[in-house]
Amino acid sequence: EDQVTQSPEALRLQEGESSSLNCSYTVSGLRGLFWYRQDPGKGPEFLFTLYSAGEEKEKERLKATLTKKESFLHITAPKPEDSATYLCAVLDGGSQGNLIFGKGTKLSVKP
Amino acid sequence: ETGVTQTPRHLVMGMTNKKSLKCEQHLGHNAMYWYKQSAKKPLELMFVYSLEERVENNSVPSRFSPECPNSSHLFLHLHTLQPEDSALYLCASSQVGGGRHGYTFGSGTRLTVV
Repeated sequence: EDQVTQSPEALRLQEGESSSLNCSYTVSGLRGLFWYRQDPGKGPEFLFTLYSAGEEKEKERLKATLTKKESFLHITAPKPEDSATYLCAVLDGGSQGNLIFGKGTKLSVKP
Repeated sequence: ETGVTQTPRHLVMGMTNKKSLKCEQHLGHNAMYWYKQSAKKPLELMFVYSLEERVENNSVPSRFSPECPNSSHLFLHLHTLQPEDSALYLCASSQVGGGRHGYTFGSGTRLTVV
């Protein structure tokens, strides 16, 4: 069965304190790994897509990396506005290509 | 504006009511999805429509009934719900097969069943 596990469940950082979020996955025939950001009361907002091991993507203070078993979302010198829930999802290998989500990591950045 | 619009944003309904959630996408996508998001759980895929045909129903109770009249509109009809059905219901759209950006989500409908 395809699975996505995110850790930690919650993370509290001081402004400027860099850290990483983890997403481990088991899926038959990975067709893409996605990172989303979700703010309270809103739908998930797309951040990155990664397709193959060794691939990296960057956007402002965020950098996503991918290995054969897991992905990391590195947050460098975070600011309070980076506070949100970060969701990881994998596109399974079926013909329809359904997104399977982890539970998310709730990030709080204090000034 | 995300390109996927959901109405209403909030809904409170009794267990004997019938209501509908609406989703509209303006992105030219040809697949649409309903997800349920509950606290401490991952997003649960409920229904998938691809090219206006339902291709997946992940064992969702019959008190939830989807409708996709065209590739831009998706409805979720609700009747005789239970309190445990209270959750955030998210609509999403994509190109068939997922696309390079995965899915585009709406802001959701916060449903409370009393």
